Amino acid sequence: NAGVTQTPKFQVLKTGQSMTLQCAQDMNHNSMYWYRQDPGMGLRLIYYSASEGTTDKGEVPNGYNVSRLNKREFSLRLESAAPSQTSVYFCASSVERGTGELFFGEGSRLTVL
Amino acid sequence: AQRVTQPEKLLSVFKGAPVELKCNYSYSGSPELFWYVQYSRQRLQLLLRHISRESIKGFTADLNKGETSFHLKKPFAQEEDSAMYYCALSGFGNEKLTFGTGTRLTIIP
Repeated sequence: NAGVTQTPKFQVLKTGQSMTLQCAQDMNHNSMYWYRQDPGMGLRLIYYSASEGTTDKGEVPNGYNVSRLNKREFSLRLESAAPSQTSVYFCASSVERGTGELFFGEGSRLTVL
Repeated sequence: AQRVTQPEKLLSVFKGAPVELKCNYSYSGSPELFWYVQYSRQRLQLLLRHISRESIKGFTADLNKGETSFHLKKPFAQEEDSAMYYCALSGFGNEKLTFGTGTRLTIIP
């Protein structure tokens, strides 16, 4: 089992460009999440999806959109990248809402110039 | 609002010495607390949760509701304990897991 797989692992964008981070899990989990990790700020929740077909905003949703394509996949899109979105992005999944046990991907390092 | 505070960004401890990583939280309801760990070149993973009341890799953590704390402890540090540690909180049945800013633990040989 691969667990949670994120692509790409590294990406450099220019301000204003768009891109999509892909995430897939093979554990048949219901809930999926996108976090960003910044120095001194820990992990902050961007969006989450409690189940297929639903998405909700987290702590820092501005500038992002998400799509829960199916049970396995949860993508994060930056429509017009800004330098403030330079960060490491983590996708995670859990069996169901509220369990607290998240399984994380390896992270995607995004730099916006 | 839920908040997790880890006051120490960096902590260095000699091998064999006791370790305590501090975590304080703010939450109006009944909290569920967790410790996550990220070893070098590995994924962030769950270390332990307060509900389980278990010891993992020699680490324990007790939820103190009076002091709103969930400190992580180990009596004798080992070199393989060097890692980044995050304390996290969720409300009962709440999807949102709120993380602290993390503490980087370094064990000095």
